[in-house]
Amino acid sequence: QITLKESGPTLVKPTQTLTLTCAFSGFSLSTRGVAMGWIRQPPGKALQWLALIYGDDVKRYSPFLNDRLIITKDTSKDLVVLTMTNVDPVDTATYYCVHLSEASEHFDYWGQGTLVTVSS
Amino acid sequence: QSVLTQPASVSGSPGQSITISCTGTRTDVGGYDFVSWYQQSSGKAPKLIIFDVSSRPSGISNRFSGSKSGNTASLTISGLQAEDEADYYCGSYTSRSPSYVFGSGTKVTVL
Repeated sequence: QITLKESGPTLVKPTQTLTLTCAFSGFSLSTRGVAMGWIRQPPGKALQWLALIYGDDVKRYSPFLNDRLIITKDTSKDLVVLTMTNVDPVDTATYYCVHLSEASEHFDYWGQGTLVTVSS
Repeated sequence: QSVLTQPASVSGSPGQSITISCTGTRTDVGGYDFVSWYQQSSGKAPKLIIFDVSSRPSGISNRFSGSKSGNTASLTISGLQAEDEADYYCGSYTSRSPSYVFGSGTKVTVL
């Protein structure tokens, strides 16, 4: 059974760096073809894919946020970390940790999400 | 930055069928059979209900069905029930970057 759980600050000031952690279980992220990522949703708005990391450490980023995002994994602790630099109030959103299906290109498991507010 | 276009809202009476469209381009919806649909009930995380255009994950009701024609994908909910009231998002793999894109979302209301 795959489970994902996000954690991180609920409030961040503008220009600061946001670090979110996803603790997962039920699979190994050290296997090629397995991938996890992050998707966010501003209040009342649509989903936005942010980043993905594969078991072989290949990383993909949203072209809209590419220069502000870093995704890493710690396979010994079953953790995935997303770092977003220079945050702005428009980055206020619920951030979801997701598992990419190993058989196709869709997100089959989602964490409960964590709401991050960017405000001074 | 919603790349895929969906109607803002769709409504129907219990028992009726409704269809939600999701329009993209040949670099996403039209170019790959990697269209997925997610149901998001109020205050909850999205839940996968359709993948690869028309496949259903285990446990998803067969009242949900998907299809695609050209650059437009569709989700049909038949036998509409009160519990179907939620927001629905389409998603697709895209060759741009490459990466993943989502639709603008559709609010389904059961009258």
